[in-house]
Amino acid sequence: LAKTTQPISMDSYEGQEVNITCSHNNIATNDYITWYQQFPSQGPRFIIQGYKTKVTNEVASLFIPADRKSSTLSLPRVSLSDTAVYYCLGFSGGYNKLIFGAGTRLAVHP
Amino acid sequence: SQTIHQWPATLVQPVGSPLSLECTVEGTSNPNLYWYRQAAGRGLQLLFYSVGIGQISSEVPQNLSASRPQDRQFILSSKKLLLSDSGFYLCASHPGGDTQYFGPGTRLTVL
Repeated sequence: LAKTTQPISMDSYEGQEVNITCSHNNIATNDYITWYQQFPSQGPRFIIQGYKTKVTNEVASLFIPADRKSSTLSLPRVSLSDTAVYYCLGFSGGYNKLIFGAGTRLAVHP
Repeated sequence: SQTIHQWPATLVQPVGSPLSLECTVEGTSNPNLYWYRQAAGRGLQLLFYSVGIGQISSEVPQNLSASRPQDRQFILSSKKLLLSDSGFYLCASHPGGDTQYFGPGTRLTVL
């Protein structure tokens, strides 16, 4: 998974569902898609990970179509505290080197 | 679960001065360890990674170096800092599986 493409920024309002789509055309067969959340001056925090179809946890859902060339992170009913940068990424090389793109800056408004 | 410690939390250094940032990991053994740097408003750039004691791989030629003297200790150093070395430095640990855990980071300002 050499490169990912995400929107630079998104705006939403409290209580809305937010969907952030990531393109990863060069995904390898063994790659997993992983999403991280980062608040200012903090390290990234793991949100969710998947290989295909749909994965859901207490924080988000991740949708991956059959061709696995994209994925969509879904945040249900966002709140102001969900304002952060969200990174979509996969794995590169044999030592699990994470390649971070610029991420998507989500702003949630009252 | 594991915990990653980084210190100092913030650092202001003059150009040309040396640097030493330390990262220690608790709650796991023999993890892969990583140093990332994040410029203001940008994504993370992988600088170094290590799969074991004394084993360091550099991703980008830098004014920086890394060392791993102990299994759960990872150190980032520089002999002479440049203005371009300013940034947010993050240590990460990969104990296995498909997730990396990040430390709280060190914000370095070089003046």
